Amino acid sequence: RKEVEQDPGPFNVPEGATVAFNCTYSNSASQSFFWYRQDCRKEPKLLMSVYSSGNEDGRFTAQLNRASQYISLLIRDSKLSDSATYLCVVSYSFKTIFGAGTRLFVKA
Amino acid sequence: NAGVTQTPKFRILKIGQSMTLQCTQDMNHNYMYWYRQDPGMGLKLIYYSVGAGITDKGEVPNGYNVSRSTTEDFPLRLELAAPSQTSVYFCASSYSDRGQPQHFGDGTRLSIL
Repeated sequence: RKEVEQDPGPFNVPEGATVAFNCTYSNSASQSFFWYRQDCRKEPKLLMSVYSSGNEDGRFTAQLNRASQYISLLIRDSKLSDSATYLCVVSYSFKTIFGAGTRLFVKA
Repeated sequence: NAGVTQTPKFRILKIGQSMTLQCTQDMNHNYMYWYRQDPGMGLKLIYYSVGAGITDKGEVPNGYNVSRSTTEDFPLRLELAAPSQTSVYFCASSYSDRGQPQHFGDGTRLSIL
């Protein structure tokens, strides 16, 4: 079993739709959580950190469920520019694990 | 606002050649990392460093070497290039490994022919 697992997708959604991704992690000692965005042939860029109480940044909402060991990312009012691969990142004990990513295509 | 800088951006090597991928950061980060990413795949950690003079192997270190003589620089060396090393290489840095995100350079696209 992978330490961090994501549905690879792709998720194909129309503009304006709401889309959600989940990511599960196996190590219950995981301490820090992030979502990154990676555009085709570009470097990963930090989208947002994920806090225990959940957090929001504009159209993006991240949540953490420690009991079930998953984090989620909700994107509201999808834009064409949201098309990218979204990477789930989990960190614990000097180790950072990147998920393989979920591909999102937003179409007009 | 330089952040993490990688050079070169593109390179084509012949089998058996050697080269060094350069990475420098100006954020005074202690931790630095080298990843490779094959097409359609996730990131794989090659080597990392927790500070000047300290390096350690990641998931896929074979065929690579690193050094960390200064806080700013973390070069990655390929000694005998092989086609299997064709990939995109990303360097990243972070202030620490606890609760701090990694910041990436824009990558080096390497082809071994």
